[in-house]
This record gives sequence, C-alpha cells and structure tokens, in this order.
Amino acid sequence: QVQLQESGPGLMKPSETLSLTCTVSGGSFSVSYWGWIRQPPGKGLEYIGNIYNSVITRYSPSLESRVTISVDTSKNQLSLRLTSVTAADTAVYYCVKFGTGGWPDSWGQGTLATVSS
Amino acid sequence: EVVLTQSPATLSLSPGERATLSCRASQSVSTSLAWFQQKLGQAPRLLIYDASNRATGIPARFSGSGSGTDFTLTISSLEPEDFAVYYCQQRSDWPRTFGQGTKLEIK
Repeated sequence: QVQLQESGPGLMKPSETLSLTCTVSGGSFSVSYWGWIRQPPGKGLEYIGNIYNSVITRYSPSLESRVTISVDTSKNQLSLRLTSVTAADTAVYYCVKFGTGGWPDSWGQGTLATVSS
Repeated sequence: EVVLTQSPATLSLSPGERATLSCRASQSVSTSLAWFQQKLGQAPRLLIYDASNRATGIPARFSGSGSGTDFTLTISSLEPEDFAVYYCQQRSDWPRTFGQGTKLEIK
C-alpha cells in the first residue's frame, strides 16, 4: 500500500515561491503517474497538474505560468513549485498517485500553505 | 473547460435511507467521471471511477451510473459513516475539473 506524506513551509508572504515535497513509500516510484490537487479552506477541490514517468507534465491552464511539478526518483519524492504566490493560493495541498483506471486513488493527508503578509 | 454542477448542495437524510446525488457536466465526458468522499479534516477518497466502477474496498451500497452529461451516485442505505461531502471529477478534457460538492448531512 503506497503512502504519501506532504511537507512544506506552512506560512509564506505574497510574491514568494511555494515549495512542497511529497515523500512516497511502499510503491514503485519511477514508472508511475503522480499529481497535486489543492483545496482552499472551506472550499472545493482544484486540480493543479500531474507528472507521468518522471518527465511528462501537464498543468492546469490557470496555474501553468507559475507551477512546476517534478520528481526525484533517488529520494522517492514528488515536488511542487508555485511562484509569485498570493492569498488566493492559500490552500491544503494534496499529493496524489494515479492508479485505478488513471484516477487519483492514493492521497496524502495534505499540507496547509498559508499566504499572508 | 468542463463545468460540473452537483445537486443538491446539501442533502439531509437519516441513516438507513437511500441517497441520490447528481453531477451534470456542461459537455459530454463520456464515462470519464469519478466520485470522491471527503470527511471533515481528511483527504478525499476515491469511491467510483469511470462512472460506475467501485474502487477497491468500497462497500457495495455505493453505486454510480450515467454517461455523457448526467451522472448519479447512489448510496442504497446510509450508514453513519457515510455523512460527508461528495465530489465528482471529470478527466475527459483538460483541465481536469471537480464539481462544487454535495454535503450529505444527518437529518
């Protein structure tokens, strides 16, 4: 059973860069399909993007100019980088593994990233 | 962008009752639709994928149906642990989108 654990700074100021890491255990990392989904406090889910076979990425158009998803197979880690953050980027960020039929069937517990001056 | 509209926003039912949740897409997504359950303070959990397939470990009281633009999640007899928020998501088109959620609450 794969397990995912997000980690990150928690609190950032506007215009800074958000960097999150997801450490994966219990699964094959390199040949897999991973992604990030976020949820503003009290609101619904928003798809950020995904990475396939460690190199093929695709991002939501609304975030594409600011987001980068990458993997470090030597560390079994998935990363998210979001530049020029604003208060609108305040959310719980989940890393996910796509498995069953290409759907996100494994989720991390989520990490709250707050943007505030 | 495919807009998914879920109804109702809130559904108030009692344990043992049948729950019917709806998800309507702004354009056809074929059967590329999934349902997730999210309990307070927890990550979402995949319930149904490809419109009608139960994910691993999901009880048989959960079922999904539909294709094209209209989809339904049915819980045949509500258990206390089923009261949560439910989201639909499509992966027919990019960007992937979610519905706004239906809160299933105890009456």
